Amino acid sequence: DVKVTQSSRYLVKRTGEKVFLECVQDMDHENMFWYRQDPGLGLRLIYFSYDVKMKEKGDIPEGYSVSREKKERFSLILESASTNQTSMYLCASSLSGPEQYFGPGTRLTVT
Amino acid sequence: KNEVEQSPQNLTAQEGEFITINCSYSVGISALHWLQQHPGGGIVSLFMLSSGKKKHGRLIATINIQEKHSSLHITASHPRDSAVYICAVTSGGSNYKLTFGKGTLLTVNP
Repeated sequence: DVKVTQSSRYLVKRTGEKVFLECVQDMDHENMFWYRQDPGLGLRLIYFSYDVKMKEKGDIPEGYSVSREKKERFSLILESASTNQTSMYLCASSLSGPEQYFGPGTRLTVT
Repeated sequence: KNEVEQSPQNLTAQEGEFITINCSYSVGISALHWLQQHPGGGIVSLFMLSSGKKKHGRLIATINIQEKHSSLHITASHPRDSAVYICAVTSGGSNYKLTFGKGTLLTVNP
């Protein structure tokens, strides 16, 4: 079974803090994704990566950056957290086709 | 960009009822996905289909490519089916990106 894990289920940070969200997959998948999910808006793609050190912006990259130094790990970075980044963050991975496997999510609250 | 619309947004049913959730999209796709998300939980893929019909247990997914429409059916619904059901599509020649509907919150009462 594919396993996608995220570093925290719940996280509370203060405005202006630098925040790291980590995602690890154990199936040697090439593609990894970061989404945020908000009520009434559904899931929106922040960034994705199709290989080590390769990344592309998604639909809402502003205020975020990413890092993929190893194939199994994809990090989402909030350089200076703001209250409008309070959300559920979901990581996903896929091999080469369209089917994606999701992590359990991190509920981030920025106060 | 593909627009994905789901209906209804919220659905309440009694245990045992037959349930249908609908999804429509605006441009051609390579695949359509039905996903399930339980409260506080991660997302699980139920189906991925590009034509016809798929069945898994009490769940059935159909797609009509000409009409750009898909349905998810649940037969003999049960309270454990209570979840958010999300439709997503892969299109535009990209195998990477999904475009998501906003989800349907299903509550099945005993």
